[in-house]
Amino acid sequence: NAGVTQTPKFQVLKTGQSMTLQCAQDMNHNSMYWYRQDPGMGLRLIYYSASEGTTDKGEVPNGYNVSRLNKREFSLRLESAAPSQTSVYFCASSSRGGRQGVSGNTIYFGEGSWLTVV
Amino acid sequence: DQQVKQNSPSLSVQEGRISILNCDYTNSMFDYFLWYKKYPAEGPTFLISISSIKDKNEDGRFTVFLNKSAKHLSLHIVPSQPGDSAVYFCAASASMSGGGADGLTFGKGTHLIIQP
Repeated sequence: NAGVTQTPKFQVLKTGQSMTLQCAQDMNHNSMYWYRQDPGMGLRLIYYSASEGTTDKGEVPNGYNVSRLNKREFSLRLESAAPSQTSVYFCASSSRGGRQGVSGNTIYFGEGSWLTVV
Repeated sequence: DQQVKQNSPSLSVQEGRISILNCDYTNSMFDYFLWYKKYPAEGPTFLISISSIKDKNEDGRFTVFLNKSAKHLSLHIVPSQPGDSAVYFCAASASMSGGGADGLTFGKGTHLIIQP
């Protein structure tokens, strides 16, 4: 059971470099999300995609872009990395947008990508 | 300004005893609450949820209690087992019309340690 797969798991970037975090889900989910978790903090929503072809900003979108390539894949791009973007990034998916946790709409998370910007 | 607060960064409980994890919220628009469990180097996994129309929801060893007047919820684990050692996140959401992510607001988490 692959579920939600993120790559890479670990990455070190220099300030100003760009990179893309890849995410794919095999559960035929419509909605996908990118969260970040900073030390001692809860997860914060960066961007989400309610369905294929749509993307919207979350709580902390500055410095990021996303692409919903198809139903399975949702990528997160850092165009010019900054030390403030050092974090653990989690991709997630759910069968539909809207209320999380309602029966049949549980959100599933990937294992996380550890990104350090020096 | 934190809207979901978990004031205990860590909690240590003996195996077999009850674990009680607490969560407070400030946004009165929140009407759905969830608990997630997270092991190191893994993503969070959904544990249990409760709607604001209820004051209790039970699933096996896990029970969530909601006190709306106090804007407080708690997760009870009985009996606690070694595999319960993890970080537990409280999360909340507010009703939205017109779809959208209905994104979750997470607390900082409580690290539960079950001692043998």
